[in-house]
Amino acid sequence: SAVISQKPSRDICQRGTSLTIQCQVDSQVTMMFWYRQQPGQSLTLIATANQGSEATYESGFVIDKFPISRPNLTFSTLTVSNMSPEDSSIYLCSVWGGGVGETQYFGPGTRLLVL
Amino acid sequence: AQKITQTQPGMFVQEKEAVTLDCTYDTSDQSYGLFWYKQPSSGEMIFLIYQGSYDEQNATEGRYSLNFQKARKSANLVISASQLGDSAMYFCAMREGQDYKLSFGAGTTVTVRA
Repeated sequence: SAVISQKPSRDICQRGTSLTIQCQVDSQVTMMFWYRQQPGQSLTLIATANQGSEATYESGFVIDKFPISRPNLTFSTLTVSNMSPEDSSIYLCSVWGGGVGETQYFGPGTRLLVL
Repeated sequence: AQKITQTQPGMFVQEKEAVTLDCTYDTSDQSYGLFWYKQPSSGEMIFLIYQGSYDEQNATEGRYSLNFQKARKSANLVISASQLGDSAMYFCAMREGQDYKLSFGAGTTVTVRA
């Protein structure tokens, strides 16, 4: 299984500011995924981060709002830009790991509150 | 159309009893995988169990078992001998074919009563 860490674990931010979330994996992986979970909701995929190329964004998410970096095969960052209270969510990164059925493993999440 | 449907927003279960969480799915792919995750109040997503579409036997993992009924397109999670620590949100998810994305259901909140 993959071990994933995220920083920060939580933060409280003012509207209009930006926050960068870091995701570190203990093994090299081709793709890393960023999800958003709004309060009381399910997970929504924001984008797929590929090393050496631009991230692929899902419908409703744009690079200007959620820029992503993927400098190597074990690390990625997601920035939430020009934040508003609607951005208050849990942000999770994930990777496909080894094991039965090639399970997708998740980081512990970053809990963001925007005031 | 929803790919994963979880119709139970919340459930209560008595400690030491079993609980079944419903999950139905919709796909035209012959090859797919079904996953269950647990999300406690801390927010982390914990992988519980996996069932492949070609697996002939239902998956089991400790107190977790998956009741896979392919013809009905259902993949219900059974938690046996519930514990207080089982109180959490539970998500059913699916991966279709070689797609790298997971589709998640809305989730079911389980509350275990002492």
